[in-house]
Amino acid sequence: QKEVEQNSGPLSVPEGAIASLNCTYSDRGSQSFFWYRQYSGKSPELIMFIYSNGDKEDGRFTAQLNKASQYVSLLIRDSQPSDSATYLCAVKWGAAGNKLTFGGGTRVLVKP
Amino acid sequence: KAGVTQTPRYLIKTRGQQVTLSCSPISGHRSVSWYQQTPGQGLQFLFEYFSETQRNKGNFPGRFSGRQFSNSRSEMNVSTLELGDSALYLCASIPTAGETQYFGPGTRLLVL
Repeated sequence: QKEVEQNSGPLSVPEGAIASLNCTYSDRGSQSFFWYRQYSGKSPELIMFIYSNGDKEDGRFTAQLNKASQYVSLLIRDSQPSDSATYLCAVKWGAAGNKLTFGGGTRVLVKP
Repeated sequence: KAGVTQTPRYLIKTRGQQVTLSCSPISGHRSVSWYQQTPGQGLQFLFEYFSETQRNKGNFPGRFSGRQFSNSRSEMNVSTLELGDSALYLCASIPTAGETQYFGPGTRLLVL
């Protein structure tokens, strides 16, 4: 069964620090990996996606993918109180369609 | 460019009733996916429609159904509502060529 696992948190980080979030997945046939941010009561918004091994940077966010170890991580540099949210990892398997399988999310709290 | 529109935003129903939710994707997007989000199960894939055809289906009972119209607007229907159907129902709009999925604001359904 295809699964995506995340630590539920909360992950508490001081303002200005680096928040490190991890996500593991159960199947080697995965294709693409996504990080979404969801504020309480709101819908998920895409932060970034990655499909090749290595790092991908976008502003203060860096996604890291290691397919051999079956994990993907998200680093948030210079964390701000506005980064306090739940971060969802999602995996797309297969070549057809756009079905995403989500992890349970990691709640991040950035303390001023 | 207008974002994803979902109607209604909030809905209260009683057990046994049925409900229809609507999603209008971003202009030019032909694929729509539906997800259910609950505190216990997280975000779960319901189904995906592309060019009026169901392309993928998640592990939900037959009470959950959907369709897509020629203008890419999509509806999902839940018949014989159960208390456990109370959830946030999210629609994602997907461009024809691309990895990103853009979520709408969601419809919050409460079944009493």
